[in-house]
Amino acid sequence: QSVLTQPPSVSGAPGQRVTISCTGSSSNIGAGYDVHWYQQLPGTAPKLLISGNSNRPSGVPDRFSGSKSGTSASLAITGLQAEDEADYYCQSYDSSLSGSYVFGTGTKVTVL
Amino acid sequence: QVQLVESGGGVVQPGRSLRLSCAASGFTFSSYGMHWVRQAPGKGLEWVAVIWYDGSDKYYADSVKGRFTISRDNSKNTLYLQMSGLRVEDTAVYYCARGGGNRGGWFDPWGQGTLVTVSS
Repeated sequence: QSVLTQPPSVSGAPGQRVTISCTGSSSNIGAGYDVHWYQQLPGTAPKLLISGNSNRPSGVPDRFSGSKSGTSASLAITGLQAEDEADYYCQSYDSSLSGSYVFGTGTKVTVL
Repeated sequence: QVQLVESGGGVVQPGRSLRLSCAASGFTFSSYGMHWVRQAPGKGLEWVAVIWYDGSDKYYADSVKGRFTISRDNSKNTLYLQMSGLRVEDTAVYYCARGGGNRGGWFDPWGQGTLVTVSS
């Protein structure tokens, strides 16, 4: 079961800004562990979108940005485009579980 | 380019065993920790296991501990997942992924995945 909570879905019109929250606890995000974000297009493997809370790997558009505060993190997509319609997952590490990496529950982004 | 290719998936009866492989290329395999992550049909991502770059340490999700074994052969640039005592709830696409950063780091890149179906 996921220990990081995300909204099931968010939507926005092309060009708008949407944000996805990732809520954890004192044993994961609140303990100082980094948060990473992945984009999963339909029928494909996940792709790293943001590493280390706010770092964009080479090739990821600057429309995507990440932040972290306390026991939560957020992914923002500005200038929403049709090709951004996908599932998004946050990921961190939890010290209360044996060697355990944890994922968020996932958020479906729909472009209206 | 960096590439990970999984193989070994298929249909298996409950209680049986299966071994997955992940062939790596385009990077120094022996320098990276490697992970298995799975995704049940229509569900989210679940981390399964990690192995240190030299195989010296391994960790598992509680859901597979005692049934699955992660291993690697650095001479063959290949990662493995030996799955035994398979259950219906192990049905999923299994991805291998390269670990990034330190403990708690990211997964990048991912393979294309291999489907394991546990059914009688």
